[in-house]
Amino acid sequence: QKEVEQDPGPLSVPEGAIVSLNCTYSNSAFQYFMWYRQYSRKGPELLMYTYSSGNKEDGRFTAQVDKSSKYISLFIRDSQPSDSATYLCAMSALGSGYALNFGKGTSLLVTP
Amino acid sequence: NAGVTQTPKFQVLKTGQSMTLQCAQDMNHNSMYWYRQDPGMGLRLIYYSASEGTTDKGEVPNGYNVSRLNKREFSLRLESAAPSQTSVYFCASSSPDRGVYEQYFGPGTRLTVT
Repeated sequence: QKEVEQDPGPLSVPEGAIVSLNCTYSNSAFQYFMWYRQYSRKGPELLMYTYSSGNKEDGRFTAQVDKSSKYISLFIRDSQPSDSATYLCAMSALGSGYALNFGKGTSLLVTP
Repeated sequence: NAGVTQTPKFQVLKTGQSMTLQCAQDMNHNSMYWYRQDPGMGLRLIYYSASEGTTDKGEVPNGYNVSRLNKREFSLRLESAAPSQTSVYFCASSSPDRGVYEQYFGPGTRLTVT
C-alpha cells in the first residue's frame, strides 16, 4: 500500500462549482503538505503548501490539513474551465532528506 | 529565466539501446531530481542530487544512472533500455532557502521503448 492515496477521478463539475480534492496518508511523520497542478503534457507546478495542521488560503484555493485523521484537502471556489488539470498531492517528513511522496493525482474537468 | 529545461522532448528507443536525458536549471538551485510518471502510478523518484557532487537513489533506481555534471546540469542515463522504461520523465530542482517542498519541474521527456 502506498503511503499516499488519492482518488484518480476523473471529476467533472460545472463552471462556478466548489471543488473538493482529497488525499489520505499513512505516515504520521509527514509534516509538509503540498498541492501541485499539472496541465496535460506539462510538468507539475506548485499550487500551495502547508506545514503541519490547519488551513491556508490563496485566492480561490484553500488547502486544509487534518493530521489527526491523516487527511488533506484542496478546495477550489468558483471553479473555472482553466482549472481543468490533474491535481497531485505531495508530502514529506521533517528530516527525510529530499523525498517527496506523491499521490497518483486527480483529474479535474470544469465544463462551461 | 528558462527555469528547468529538458532534452529531448520525445524519444523512441529499441530494447537494448542506450540514451541520456539532459536536464538544466538556471535558478541557481542546489538540489535536482529525476522522476518518472506512469499512468496509475503517479510520480516516482528515480534519483536525486542534494548538492553538486552528490547523488542518491530514490524509489525506483534500477536500470538508471545519473551524473551531476555541475550545479546547473543533472543527466539521467539508460544503459540498456527496456519496454518497462517507457514513461514520461521529469526533472525538477529546488533550493534550500525555499524548502525542499518547492520543487520546480521541467516540461518532461516522453520516452517509448519498443
